Amino acid sequence: DVKVTQSSRYLVKRTGEKVFLECVQDMDHENMFWYRQDPGLGLRLIYFSYDVKMKEKGDIPEGYSVSREKKERFSLILESASTNQTSMYLCASSFDNEQFFGPGTRLTVL
Amino acid sequence: GEDVEQSLFLSVREGDSSVINCTYTDSSSTYLYWYKQEPGAGLQLLTYIFSNMDMKQDQRLTVLLNKKDKHLSLRIADTQTGDSAIYFCAGYSGNTGKLIFGQGTTLQVKP
Repeated sequence: DVKVTQSSRYLVKRTGEKVFLECVQDMDHENMFWYRQDPGLGLRLIYFSYDVKMKEKGDIPEGYSVSREKKERFSLILESASTNQTSMYLCASSFDNEQFFGPGTRLTVL
Repeated sequence: GEDVEQSLFLSVREGDSSVINCTYTDSSSTYLYWYKQEPGAGLQLLTYIFSNMDMKQDQRLTVLLNKKDKHLSLRIADTQTGDSAIYFCAGYSGNTGKLIFGQGTTLQVKP
């Protein structure tokens, strides 16, 4: 079974803090994705990566950056967290066109 | 740009059939997916359909695709309380290589 894990299920941070969300997959997938999920808005793509050290902006990249130094790990970085970044963050990896999701990190920014 | 629309809420009684509807705009979508999200969990792929198919059945799940109207539906037969969840429709865009998700439909199953 494909396994996608995320470093934290719940996270509380203060405005202005730097926040790292980590995602690891164990199936040697080339593609990895970061989404945020908000009620009534569904999932919106923040960034994705097709290979190590490659990254592409999604639909809402502002306020975020990413890092992919190893194939299995894709990190989402909030350089200076703001309250409007309070959300559920979901990581996914894919082979071909089927995406496998991690359990999500619920981030609260106070 | 590409868009996927779903109604936000559906309530049914246990044992009834549920039908969750979705419309999409991207005619280049080669695959269309249904994901299920239980409370506090990530998304789980339920089923998918190729764009050249009209229907796919998998146990209690039936997916219908009307390409002309760009309309996708998920029917759950004999709905159970364990089916209570948020259901997301998503289209795979061949042009961008990305999945475009709908807003999610919360299915409430009453005993």
